[in-house]
Amino acid sequence: DQQVKQNSPSLSVQEGRISILNCDYTNSMFDYFLWYKKYPAEGPTFLISISSIKDKNEDGRFTVFLNKSAKHLSLHIVPSQPGDSAVYFCADSGGSNYKLTFGKGTLLTVNP
Amino acid sequence: NAGVMQNPRHLVRRRGQEARLRCSPMKGHSHVYWYRQLPEEGLKFMVYLQKENIIDESGMPKERFSAEFPKEGPSILRIQQVVRGDSAAYFCASSPGSVDGQAFFGQGTRLTVV
Repeated sequence: DQQVKQNSPSLSVQEGRISILNCDYTNSMFDYFLWYKKYPAEGPTFLISISSIKDKNEDGRFTVFLNKSAKHLSLHIVPSQPGDSAVYFCADSGGSNYKLTFGKGTLLTVNP
Repeated sequence: NAGVMQNPRHLVRRRGQEARLRCSPMKGHSHVYWYRQLPEEGLKFMVYLQKENIIDESGMPKERFSAEFPKEGPSILRIQQVVRGDSAAYFCASSPGSVDGQAFFGQGTRLTVV
């Protein structure tokens, strides 16, 4: 049974600094890993993904790193902006291309 | 191009009543997914549907829950004889195909059972 763990329920950073959100997984299948962002009272919005055959993917201020030996991935946001304040969910496709397993989320607060 | 539309946004039901949650996918999307988020938890996959077909319902509780995506009209998630433990946010997502998880989510329906 695959699991996705986000061990930090919250993170607070100053505007302009780097935000690093972490995620651990247990599955070893060929996967996609995805990050979703969620504002209160809204649905999750896809942010960035990475295939398990890569170790880095970058899109503007957002970079996801994948460490397969440690079964760990992280999302870096730099520079952080107040509008980035939201809950961030890590998700694992588990070898499926439609059934995502989500972590519990990390609440990021970026202080002006 | 409207996004995924879910209604109602909030639904209150008494124990034992039925809850019907509706989801209209994005235009051109024929794949629909339902997820449930319990308090303090991540989203949990429930069911994956294409038009008139249930593809994977492995995340659905065995009793009281059903889902459909008819040829015409929205997808419906139906919960019969609701109990307090059904209180959660229910999210629908859609995609044009099964595309590596990059589905578009609706705003969700928050179900409260009293």
